[in-house]
Amino acid sequence: DTGVSQDPRHKITKRGQNVTFRCDPISEHNRLYWYRQTLGQGPEFLTYFQNEAQLEKSRLLSDRFSAERPKGSFSTLEIQRTEQGDSAMYLCASSRRLAGNNEQFFGPGTRLTVL
Amino acid sequence: DAKTTQPNSMESNEEEPVHLPCNHSTISGTDYIHWYRQLPSQGPEYVIHGLTSNVNNRMASLAIAEDRKSSTLILHRATLRDAAVYYCILRYLIQGAQKLVFGQGTRLTINP
Repeated sequence: DTGVSQDPRHKITKRGQNVTFRCDPISEHNRLYWYRQTLGQGPEFLTYFQNEAQLEKSRLLSDRFSAERPKGSFSTLEIQRTEQGDSAMYLCASSRRLAGNNEQFFGPGTRLTVL
Repeated sequence: DAKTTQPNSMESNEEEPVHLPCNHSTISGTDYIHWYRQLPSQGPEYVIHGLTSNVNNRMASLAIAEDRKSSTLILHRATLRDAAVYYCILRYLIQGAQKLVFGQGTRLTINP
């Protein structure tokens, strides 16, 4: 069990550029979540996948954001035409279907800075 | 989404117990209470969860009020490695899975 991994760990981009982040969940975890965390705040839910199906999207996820999980394993989060307000830590988490607790395991995050 | 209220910060000394409070007066009957913590420069990690009864695990204990409108996370003997932001969260289900709604959490400082 290598844990949830995210790539890249840091990304600096200029306003207006597109960026893509990758998340590799723990193997056999069929549920995958994306969160965004700004400085001094708790993480905010963005979207959720069960296998390859995207079942929930937050209103925070504007049209410039898109997430995919094409084969039900890794996921990508793309931000088009980045804005300075997109600067944040983007966290990925995964969990598996279990009766009772569905503990989410978080990755280390990708820190995005938009200049 | 049901909300939780926590103190912004708390301070304690190493090897002493720490009681982290959380108010959740709008909790519904099916909401589980979860605690996660976030160490510096890391993603959050699960600590403990409960529904009605008090719970213990290797990391902490969770004491839940009888009316479920508040709970307390107890670290029995704090170490410097317990310095983190602690989040009290009500589990919010989307199609059978958890959606975690984080507040601002309590920043716990441990003094040597």
